[in-house]
Amino acid sequence: NAGVTQTPKFQVLKTGQSMTLQCAQDMNHNSMYWYRQDPGMGLRLIYYSASEGTTDKGEVPNGYNVSRLNKREFSLRLESAAPSQTSVYFCASSETSGGQGRFGSGTRLTVV
Amino acid sequence: KQEVTQIPAALSVPEGENLVLNCSFTDSAIYNLQWFRQDPGKGLTSLLLIQSSQREQTSGRLNASLDKSSGRSTLYIAASQPGDSATYLCAVSDSNYQLIWGAGTKLIIKP
Repeated sequence: NAGVTQTPKFQVLKTGQSMTLQCAQDMNHNSMYWYRQDPGMGLRLIYYSASEGTTDKGEVPNGYNVSRLNKREFSLRLESAAPSQTSVYFCASSETSGGQGRFGSGTRLTVV
Repeated sequence: KQEVTQIPAALSVPEGENLVLNCSFTDSAIYNLQWFRQDPGKGLTSLLLIQSSQREQTSGRLNASLDKSSGRSTLYIAASQPGDSATYLCAVSDSNYQLIWGAGTKLIIKP
């Protein structure tokens, strides 16, 4: 089935460890996004890529880096994880910026 | 700064009722507004997208309206079913095409 695939689904990290969240879409979408969702809050945009070869900061980029590896793949890296980064992370894509989005099933990350 | 508010935070109604979920935003300069559904432990599913020039969109038992001047949108669900139980989120797209999200309304439909 066409869609957005995120890996891993769950992860526990120790403070200071690093990891990369992977995201791939097979819908030939131009734009891709990374969000975090915390309890009682709306999703917040971490980084986005309007098209292949470009990346831009969103609302909460500190502590994260991204790579738009190709049109399909958009990865999110935590260089030195902190407990404040405990959250559920969603990757999304859309055909154009601001278009109707398709979401992955999320990565639940806990930093201890 | 754009802020999106959804009231109520939670809603429980008997099966079969028609219901309305509310979304308000502070800046009327939006590109579009979207309603999403989120099921526990799962991703988000886009339900309806209303362009800034439109007043409403319909899909099956769902109807979403947009009043930019008053900064409001409503999602109307007709003849609710237990399968409609989920969290419903609205998000507005600003001029940079970034989505600003509400915190959601958790809907429970009682059989």
